[in-house]
Amino acid sequence: DQQVKQNSPSLSVQEGRISILNCDYTNSMFDYFLWYKKYPAEGPTFLISISSIKDKNEDGRFTVFLNKSAKHLSLHIVPSQPGDSAVYFCAASWGNTPLVFGKGTRLSVIA
Amino acid sequence: KAGVTQTPRYLIKTRGQQVTLSCSPISGHRSVSWYQQTPGQGLQFLFEYFSETQRNKGNFPGRFSGRQFSNSRSEMNVSTLELGDSALYLCASSLIRNTGELFFGEGSRLTVL
Repeated sequence: DQQVKQNSPSLSVQEGRISILNCDYTNSMFDYFLWYKKYPAEGPTFLISISSIKDKNEDGRFTVFLNKSAKHLSLHIVPSQPGDSAVYFCAASWGNTPLVFGKGTRLSVIA
Repeated sequence: KAGVTQTPRYLIKTRGQQVTLSCSPISGHRSVSWYQQTPGQGLQFLFEYFSETQRNKGNFPGRFSGRQFSNSRSEMNVSTLELGDSALYLCASSLIRNTGELFFGEGSRLTVL
């Protein structure tokens, strides 16, 4: 039973355009959501998070949107840069439960 | 500030052997979590340790075990290795439990032949 789903294994975007990565979840108990970025041969690094009491959180070029009724969140990267090419993982948690990760989306930003 | 350190980075074992992986968290971090990453499966939670006690355990067989020492360093052990155990094993630390923001090491890549 996959509680966090990233249905797009890969995404290609031109440099300077917007990248939109999507994530769906099934567990209505989740109240904290995060995005991590992973480069090859490195561990994932925290990118941005959002609490369920908000519907938007912004940090520079990165914005996360949360739609609780649809159990959906998305990460927007504007403008996309070649250095953003990586695998992006969506994760969710609640209470003292461990983070549950999606399978990841590989973003390729083409110059 | 040093990051999370995992050793060894790469190792090759044969079926039936056992392996021990080590993780040194960021100084001051008391929570250590372990995840398994395999192609197409994302990051699967193995276990979490806090103050030398296992707080959470994922859905893995008993061949997978771990422990945490008084200095917060952690080890995980996999016994009777199977081909399917080939994966990247990631350790992550955090200052307190369930802040959400985990700091990951670079991982230990295990290949089972």
